[in-house]
Amino acid sequence: GNSVTQMEGPVTLSEEAFLTINCTYTATGYPSLFWYVQYPGEGLQLLLKATKADDKGSNKGFEATYRKETTSFHLEKGSVQVSDSAVYFCALPRDQGAQKLVFGQGTRLTINP
Amino acid sequence: DAGITQSPRYKITETGRQVTLMCHQTWSHSYMFWYRQDLGHGLRLIYYSAAADITDKGEVPDGYVVSRSKTENFPLTLESATRSQTSVYFCASSEQGGNRGSEQYFGPGTRLTVT
Repeated sequence: GNSVTQMEGPVTLSEEAFLTINCTYTATGYPSLFWYVQYPGEGLQLLLKATKADDKGSNKGFEATYRKETTSFHLEKGSVQVSDSAVYFCALPRDQGAQKLVFGQGTRLTINP
Repeated sequence: DAGITQSPRYKITETGRQVTLMCHQTWSHSYMFWYRQDLGHGLRLIYYSAAADITDKGEVPDGYVVSRSKTENFPLTLESATRSQTSVYFCASSEQGGNRGSEQYFGPGTRLTVT
């Protein structure tokens, strides 16, 4: 089945710093790719997605580009805020055409003022 | 627009008791999922359902039972709770996606403590 490797955390940055959280995957075919965010005490929320190669997903200032040649989907944000402190998960379908997702282990991000 | 809800949000129970966690979605999504989240293990799939009356095991189904008589509800039952089932439980739902898969939408979670 498909798999995902996510940058280990925790990651601590100062406010307004540039953020990158790495995500690489192995997959059959060209599945959709997802980033989820989990704020303390809450469920996972879909942050952004990309459905085909070279697609760029974006939301709340975060971006990620579907890179087929490097099998990567790195999450970036140009200027982080304290409110971005959360755990971030990269995910993709477990198999081609599957509805089950496989998730990375999660990266805990803390932004200091 | 309620989306996906879980109840209770917090539950404390004793070892050996039966406990049922409820999940309800208002989108008429075909698929529903139950996960548990534990430190060091990330998210693990317990059971999932492709439609009413169709359920299947995930990675860690032992000790759990599910049913889905209606599309919108997907209860998870711990038949005889054990301390190892102390966890945060998340329900999720998704539409029937195409060949590339489909995103899931998560509920707020139930924090279960087994004493």
